Amino acid sequence: EAGVVQSPRYKIIEKKQPVAFWCNPISGHNTLYWYRQNLGQGPELLIRYENEEAVDDSQLPKDRFSAERLKGVDSTLKIQPAELGDSAVYLCASRNKIAGGSGELFFGEGSRLTVL
Amino acid sequence: AQSVTQLGSHVSVSEGALVLLRCNYSSSVPPYLFWYVQYPNQGLQLLLKYTTGATLVKGINGFEAEFKKSETSFHLTKPSAHMSDAAEYFCAVSAAGRRALTFGSGTRLQVQP
Repeated sequence: EAGVVQSPRYKIIEKKQPVAFWCNPISGHNTLYWYRQNLGQGPELLIRYENEEAVDDSQLPKDRFSAERLKGVDSTLKIQPAELGDSAVYLCASRNKIAGGSGELFFGEGSRLTVL
Repeated sequence: AQSVTQLGSHVSVSEGALVLLRCNYSSSVPPYLFWYVQYPNQGLQLLLKYTTGATLVKGINGFEAEFKKSETSFHLTKPSAHMSDAAEYFCAVSAAGRRALTFGSGTRLQVQP
């Protein structure tokens, strides 16, 4: 069974440019997460989806970040315009809703963003 | 609210020595606790988790952790370190009924030959 797939793995852009990251979760996983991991830090939640509904986006900087999960499967995270402080690894994870709060999150390999 | 504190951002042990990575949590409701490992340029992989029941939890690669409610701790141990254990380790907490994990800042484990 395929794991969580993310692309691109690496992206280098200049500040003020837009960037988008794509995530394909494990088949059948209703819950999808975007986390941001700064260098030397643990992941921090940006947004959580239950199917196509964003149910927890309180940590998403809405002035420049947006996300969508059309049809409740793939998801895209966008930054426009990017700032120097956005340099980080963006991790996507998914979980089977049946597992509930105790279930394991499965992570993709991440998209490493460098803003120059 | 829930939070995790990992004591020691870097831990260095000799190959064959005991590994002890410390994690303390804060949660207003009974917690679910997790340890994840991250190898360079990779995503996070689950080592083990505590939900309910037995407080000593065994995971992959010979790791185990003990949930101690009185100490609000969930320390990770391995009796004998191997070179392949060198990685970043993250402790995480999820309150019952809440579907997102809150992570600690991580501990980088170095294993010396």
